[in-house]
Amino acid sequence: SQQGEEDPQALSIQEGENATMNCSYKTSINNLQWYRQNSGRGLVHLILIRSNEREKHSGRLRVTLDTSKKSSSLLITASRAADTASYFCATDGTGNTPLVFGKGTRLSVIA
Amino acid sequence: DVKVTQSSRYLVKRTGEKVFLECVQDMDHENMFWYRQDPGLGLRLIYFSYDVKMKEKGDIPEGYSVSREKKERFSLILESASTNQTSMYLCASSFDRVETQYFGPGTRLLVL
Repeated sequence: SQQGEEDPQALSIQEGENATMNCSYKTSINNLQWYRQNSGRGLVHLILIRSNEREKHSGRLRVTLDTSKKSSSLLITASRAADTASYFCATDGTGNTPLVFGKGTRLSVIA
Repeated sequence: DVKVTQSSRYLVKRTGEKVFLECVQDMDHENMFWYRQDPGLGLRLIYFSYDVKMKEKGDIPEGYSVSREKKERFSLILESASTNQTSMYLCASSFDRVETQYFGPGTRLLVL
């Protein structure tokens, strides 16, 4: 089944820096979502962007979507140690199939 | 706020045992999902349900079954646990199957 692929697999930055993660997918979508997972916990929804939207903001998060390139990026500005987590993109597929999650980017923010 | 709870955070079972993992949501969501998460493999969908008593196979249903007798409760059953079913199991619910999913805290299952 279609799957978003996050890039990079792992990212390590200093506190205060910006973190950018990318997601690429293969087929047309209606929406793309980003989730965060703290170690050993469930996923938490961060943001949903629809196929007719190009950019969306939520606090320190900025998500862009380029449907022509079939890619999305998640930018976390002024990162904090508490942002250390894995970040997943999820895409809906054709028809009414459930979301498909990528394998995630593991972000480490060093204080 | 949506709340999804799972019956256990940690579970240790022996090979061949029947294992029940329970998930309850309090938002009257139509859709519920069971995933397993393994290092390097991401989240893989085992089964989902879009209504009471309805279920559909996900990507890796082999060795698992599910039950949804009430709207708020979705159970995952391992009929005869095997060591390769050692994993983190995540339950989620959503109003629509492609909209935001709300996850439980996960159950880490170890099969010895």
